[in-house]
Amino acid sequence: DSGVTQTPKHLITATGQRVTLRCSPRSGDLSVYWYQQSLDQGLQFLIQYYNGEERAKGNILERFSAQQFPDLHSELNLSSLELGDSALYFCASSVATGLNTEAFFGQGTRLTVV
Amino acid sequence: SQKIEQNSEALNIQEGKTATLTCNYTNYSPAYLQWYRQDPGRGPVFLLLIRENEKEKRKERLKVTFDTTLKQSLFHITASQPADSATYLCALDITGGYNKLIFGAGTRLAVHP
Repeated sequence: DSGVTQTPKHLITATGQRVTLRCSPRSGDLSVYWYQQSLDQGLQFLIQYYNGEERAKGNILERFSAQQFPDLHSELNLSSLELGDSALYFCASSVATGLNTEAFFGQGTRLTVV
Repeated sequence: SQKIEQNSEALNIQEGKTATLTCNYTNYSPAYLQWYRQDPGRGPVFLLLIRENEKEKRKERLKVTFDTTLKQSLFHITASQPADSATYLCALDITGGYNKLIFGAGTRLAVHP
């Protein structure tokens, strides 16, 4: 158990809909990262938050948005969903104290758009 | 453009042999490089981290090398076991300190009894 909790584990929704994925980082971790992994694809970096502030953006679509709340949990909002958005979405957290440490990943949310 | 390359083909080896996986990168100057293991449908799990001023790092049966001149890291698993079968991902920290980890596509390792 990595200590990172993602909910829900599975999500099936229709095209055009909007969903929210939730991530609770490990206790004490200030950084949260979101990644998308499509079938047989690598992990695509979407966005990073540190202590409530956006720190880095990757290949995140304009239809997607995220935020990190004061209690450090994070949500990834996906709207106007398309079939191609079907993927595993991972959240990871790290201490990010300035000394590089590993990232701890949650078990992911499997999103299926039908 | 910036790229991280790992062997896309699966690596098949016999139990007990040493598995060697390669990670090459271009147009990055990472301060750190990390290796993760991912099992199907699961989140990646951290294995090893190596800094740019380190040539080699070991942990039990695992060894990582980091050559910043060649822009390459090698990941070795000695005395491999079927339980080592998984996809192995390399990740570069390209900002240092804020863990902006960019991942390679991974190499699938299959260890046969």
